[in-house]
Amino acid sequence: ETGVTQSPTHLIKTRGQQVTLRCSSQSGHNTVSWYQQALGQGPQFIFQYYREEENGRGNFPPRFSGLQFPNYSSELNVNALELDDSALYLCASTSRGKDTQYFGPGTRLTVL
Amino acid sequence: QQQVKQSPQSLIVQKGGIPIINCAYENTAFDYFPWYQQFPGKGPALLIAIRPDVSEKKEGRFTISFNKSAKQFSLHIMDSQPGDSATYFCAASWYSSASKIIFGSGTRLSIRP
Repeated sequence: ETGVTQSPTHLIKTRGQQVTLRCSSQSGHNTVSWYQQALGQGPQFIFQYYREEENGRGNFPPRFSGLQFPNYSSELNVNALELDDSALYLCASTSRGKDTQYFGPGTRLTVL
Repeated sequence: QQQVKQSPQSLIVQKGGIPIINCAYENTAFDYFPWYQQFPGKGPALLIAIRPDVSEKKEGRFTISFNKSAKQFSLHIMDSQPGDSATYFCAASWYSSASKIIFGSGTRLSIRP
C-alpha cells in the first residue's frame, strides 16, 4: 500500500508569484484535504476535494484553489503569494465516510 | 465554537514518566477525537482516536481519557521513551463537515534519557 506523497519537498517563491503543489493520495482513497501549518502551530484546514469537486472550505481567500484528478491526486494552487503564506502545506487522504485521514510529509513553502 | 484548546504548550518528562496532554472543546457536535504525532520535517501521523461514547481507549502505551460532560479529553503516554519526543496535536471533527479536522495548537514533548 502506497502512502500519501507530496511534491516538491521544498519551494522558495517571491511575493506576488504563483505556486502549484501536488499530492498523490494513498491507494484506495478518494478524498483529499489540504492543510496549512504555520511554524509552531497546528494545521489549518484549507479545503477538501471529493469526486473532483471542492467539498468543504476553511477560512482561506479565493487565491487558494485546487483541483482533483480522476486518479484522485490533487493540486493546491496559490496565487499572488504573500509573506504570510510561508508554511508547511499538508495533504491528507481518506475514503469517503471514513474518519481517519492520512497525511503526507508536506511541502515547505517559503515566500521571500 | 470550533476551537480545540490544548495544554501545555511544552512538556519535559524523564524517561519512564507519564506525560499528560490536555484538550478542551466547545462544539458538542464533534464526534471524533484523534491525536496526531508529528516529528520535525514530517507530516502528522495518527496515534490514537476516540469517539464520545467511550470514556477511555488504550493502544499500547498510549491512552485517551474522555470526559464528555466536561468536554475535555487527554492523552497519557505510559513508560515514556526518548523516541516519543515529538509534537502532539489533539484534534476534533464531525462527519457532516466532510472530514474537516480542527487541530489544537500542539504540545512539544521532550523525554529526557
